[in-house]
Amino acid sequence: NAGVTQTPKFRILKIGQSMTLQCTQDMNHNYMYWYRQDPGMGLKLIYYSVGAGITDKGEVPNGYNVSRSTTEDFPLRLELAAPSQTSVYFCASRPGQTNEKLFFGSGTQLSVL
Amino acid sequence: DAKTTQPPSMDCAEGRAANLPCNHSTISGNEYVYWYRQIHSQGPQYIIHGLKNNETNEMASLIITEDRKSSTLILPHATLRDTAVYYCIVRVSPLNTGTASKLTFGTGTRLQVML
Repeated sequence: NAGVTQTPKFRILKIGQSMTLQCTQDMNHNYMYWYRQDPGMGLKLIYYSVGAGITDKGEVPNGYNVSRSTTEDFPLRLELAAPSQTSVYFCASRPGQTNEKLFFGSGTQLSVL
Repeated sequence: DAKTTQPPSMDCAEGRAANLPCNHSTISGNEYVYWYRQIHSQGPQYIIHGLKNNETNEMASLIITEDRKSSTLILPHATLRDTAVYYCIVRVSPLNTGTASKLTFGTGTRLQVML
């Protein structure tokens, strides 16, 4: 299993541009999450999904959108990039309700200039 | 979910045990203690979790006090590769709430393992 795969690893955007951060997992996990991490800070939850077709907001959803059309994929969309969205983005997944063991991807470092 | 308090940083000599404390004085009876770590620039990695009893796996041991108000993560023989930020998280099992996980990561303890 490749686990949780995120692409791209690095990206620079100009203010107002849009992009999609890709996340896919091959472990057949129902639950998937997007977090962002600003320098020196902990992780903040952006959006999460409990299964295909179901998504919900986390702590900091403004400026982002997600979709979950398949179990494997959970893309994060930035529509109008702003400097405040400069951060490292992590995607994570877990099997189900039995415990909180999350599996994380390696992250996407995004700079908005 | 109960709030946790961790020291911002700790040092440990290579080969010695690293004992990372976590205070969770407001923990309730159905809340679990989870530990994750984040090695520089990587995604966090699950280490261990527990409810009441002490737990041990191939990575670490988790010691939870009898009153459950604090816990200690023990890395028995720290190596340079254990240098990371360690997060202590308290969370009700989703089985109890019926909701998806919303694990909250604070700023953790930055462990520096030295030669």
